[in-house]
Amino acid sequence: KNEVEQSPQNLTAQEGEFITINCSYSVGISALHWLQQHPGGGIVSLFMLSSGKKKHGRLIATINIQEKHSSLHITASHPRDSAVYICAALSNINNDMRFGAGTRLTVKP
Amino acid sequence: SAVISQKPSRDICQRGTSLTIQCQVDSQVTMMFWYRQQPGQSLTLIATANQGSEATYESGFVIDKFPISRPNLTFSTLTVSNMSPEDSSIYLCSVVSGGAFFGQGTRLTVV
Repeated sequence: KNEVEQSPQNLTAQEGEFITINCSYSVGISALHWLQQHPGGGIVSLFMLSSGKKKHGRLIATINIQEKHSSLHITASHPRDSAVYICAALSNINNDMRFGAGTRLTVKP
Repeated sequence: SAVISQKPSRDICQRGTSLTIQCQVDSQVTMMFWYRQQPGQSLTLIATANQGSEATYESGFVIDKFPISRPNLTFSTLTVSNMSPEDSSIYLCSVVSGGAFFGQGTRLTVV
């Protein structure tokens, strides 16, 4: 079993839909990251969470430390949101990252 | 926070050659990590590079193939040596400094 599990693996949505991507982890963490990987491979850090909820524009990330679960929400999705979204747990043991397999999101106009 | 400049962003290389990837950080950080993402796979840790000591490699990665330099607290390089098409991947550096911060990634294609 992977230490970081993401779901769904693939997601197709119509423009304007509300999107949720889920992440569960089994390791002890000091922080959890949500990353966006563009089709060209470039990676952008969206959020770093250690508790609660963060919002940036149409993106919202939440984390429940007790349940070891985090979600990334996209409101009013747009085709430019099409990318791979990766959940990454920063281990509190040796500070390396454990990555989920990623969720490939396609938003159709 | 930390801002990382990773270069090159992409390259196409001939098999048998080597490519050196650089990461420059805008602040001094102790811990730096190098990751690889093979096509269709998640990111995997190659090695941990701490300044002043030899890099620590994960199982399946060896220094002869992926030599790493860490000459100071703001800079590191990863070299992919004697490349083959199987080395075609995205390579990513990351630092931990009050959280994790990432380079932009290097997309390597070996032909």
